[in-house]
Amino acid sequence: DAGVTQSPTHLIKTRGQQVTLRCSPKSGHDTVSWYQQALGQGPQFIFQYYEEEERQRGNFPDRFSGHQFPNYSSELNVNALLLGDSALYLCASSFGGQGGTEAFFGQGTRLTVV
Amino acid sequence: QKEVEQDPGPLSVPEGAIVSLNCTYSNSAFQYFMWYRQYSRKGPELLMYTYSSGNKEDGRFTAQVDKSSKYISLFIRDSQPSDSATYLCAMRANFGNEKLTFGTGTRLTIIP
Repeated sequence: DAGVTQSPTHLIKTRGQQVTLRCSPKSGHDTVSWYQQALGQGPQFIFQYYEEEERQRGNFPDRFSGHQFPNYSSELNVNALLLGDSALYLCASSFGGQGGTEAFFGQGTRLTVV
Repeated sequence: QKEVEQDPGPLSVPEGAIVSLNCTYSNSAFQYFMWYRQYSRKGPELLMYTYSSGNKEDGRFTAQVDKSSKYISLFIRDSQPSDSATYLCAMRANFGNEKLTFGTGTRLTIIP
């Protein structure tokens, strides 16, 4: 079992550009959540995808958008990048059945905006 | 006030000591409680997953939840240098796959 995989591992972008991050969930999982972790802080919830729809959303602007594909993999898109978007972006997968299950995280994508 | 409060440390203890890590929370809807370990520049690794109040033990790790006090703890026995990492508490409500709310994390160093 490969667990949760994310790509790329590192990324450097210029302010104002757009970025796409990718996530493949753990085998058997159908729910993908994205989190932003600033240096020295705990992860902050961005949004969650289940059955190809955004099911929950945290307090992030519309510049952050996502998508889930039929194979349960997911993308996070960020438009008009700001310096403050520099962070570790984490993908977590879980099973969306009743009561839910524990969430497993990928290794993250470290985004640096210059 | 944050929903989940966690002392960021840093915390340094000698090898072999018992480590106690704690979080408090304010949202009474939280029902599931987790501890994650995060090494530098890596993703969080799930250590413990508990439901409601009580204790859960897994090897050298023990998780305690006291919902009446809105207080959770993680104990690490016989601490090892490899336990040096940031420990994150996380919790969620009991609605399907409700989002996780994290503490800020406690940076722990085990001194050989």
